[in-house]
Amino acid sequence: QVQLQESGPGLVKPSETLSLTCTVPGDSIRSYYWSWLRQPPGGGLESIGYIYHTGDSNYNPSLKSRVAISMDTSKNQFSLKLTSVTAADTAVYYCARTARVLDCWGQGILVTVSS
Amino acid sequence: DVVMTQSPLSLPVTPGQPASISCRSSQSLVYSDGKIYLNWYQQRPGQSPRRLIYWISNRDSGVPDRFSGSGSGTDFTLKISRVEAEDVGIYYCMQGTHWPFTFGPGTKVDI
Repeated sequence: QVQLQESGPGLVKPSETLSLTCTVPGDSIRSYYWSWLRQPPGGGLESIGYIYHTGDSNYNPSLKSRVAISMDTSKNQFSLKLTSVTAADTAVYYCARTARVLDCWGQGILVTVSS
Repeated sequence: DVVMTQSPLSLPVTPGQPASISCRSSQSLVYSDGKIYLNWYQQRPGQSPRRLIYWISNRDSGVPDRFSGSGSGTDFTLKISRVEAEDVGIYYCMQGTHWPFTFGPGTKVDI
């Protein structure tokens, strides 16, 4: 099973930018689409967006004005930036492999938005 | 967005007995490639989701054969033939056909 690993700050202040990175083992990053999702505490799952190494990407319209996903193939990493965060953005953030069939997930990282 | 509904939302089970979860989509999930991107995930307490089933009925490697998926059109079902204690958790259906991909609200299975 592919082990994806999310990393980044666990606490972000309101109005600031949430930045997370997902590290992909091996050299498979060019072979798949890669996704970000989130899950509020006690809540359901939400797709944030996905990216391919060609730059093909898509973002959830509900977040589109605030989100950017990028990829650094030399580091086998892809990243999420979410701007102007509020308490509503507090969630466990997951990275996952592929987009339509999300077959492997990271362990998730809890990001709390609070001053 | 495509709305995914699940029933029941809570499912008390007895070990050894069967269990069934229903999932319904607000529109057809047939993609332009002819596939139906309907997946099922299990989320055990404190863990990340684990895919059990993809394309309605294809079981993932390592998933016990007591799990099965079926359905067509807009109605889908996840069945557990004989529930075991390790099956406790929340089960989500997810559609990967129409962006944004969406999940059902989850069905909590407990003993």
